[in-house]
Amino acid sequence: SQKIEQNSEALNIQEGKTATLTCNYTNYSPAYLQWYRQDPGRGPVFLLLIRENEKEKRKERLKVTFDTTLKQSLFHITASQPADSATYLCALVNTGNQFYFGTGTSLTVIP
Amino acid sequence: DAGVIQSPRHEVTEMGQEVTLRCKPISGHNSLFWYRQTMMRGLELLIYFNNNVPIDDSGMPEDRFSAKMPNASFSTLKIQPSEPRDSAVYFCASSLGVAGREQYFGPGTRLTVT
Repeated sequence: SQKIEQNSEALNIQEGKTATLTCNYTNYSPAYLQWYRQDPGRGPVFLLLIRENEKEKRKERLKVTFDTTLKQSLFHITASQPADSATYLCALVNTGNQFYFGTGTSLTVIP
Repeated sequence: DAGVIQSPRHEVTEMGQEVTLRCKPISGHNSLFWYRQTMMRGLELLIYFNNNVPIDDSGMPEDRFSAKMPNASFSTLKIQPSEPRDSAVYFCASSLGVAGREQYFGPGTRLTVT
């Protein structure tokens, strides 16, 4: 069956450290993988997109990697700040533009 | 731009009643998505429209759910009759419709069915 798994536990890290979130999937062949941030009581907000033929993408303090052999994406936030505390969702997108979201990882950055 | 607009923001209704959720996508976006989010199941795609035409409704739970998009600036999701297990946050999102483009989400409608 199809499955998307993100860090099963909430992630707590110290301010200034790098947070690494994982997204593993089975029985999908995504053309794209996206990461979203969701704050309590709000809709998800788009952060980064990476294509299946790309290995890495960066945007300011954010970095995403995509390994289609391992069927895994890693999402890094460097020099983390308390304002980065939120839930982060990965989304797999196929060529038919259908989106499949993971259940999310809750990140807390401790001052 | 006002972003994706959803109404109502909160809805409390009794089991068996009809519920209608509304969405106005971002102007110029030609794809619209309805999602349901719960703690247990996360964010689930219910239905996806492109150019006002339903492309994929395989996520619609059952016949009690229906969605329409009569024009490019308006969509509805209707539940009739509603049941307690329909309680969730329902999100509408829009995008430019090219495969892989990012989605812009509305603030959601929190539905409680008692």
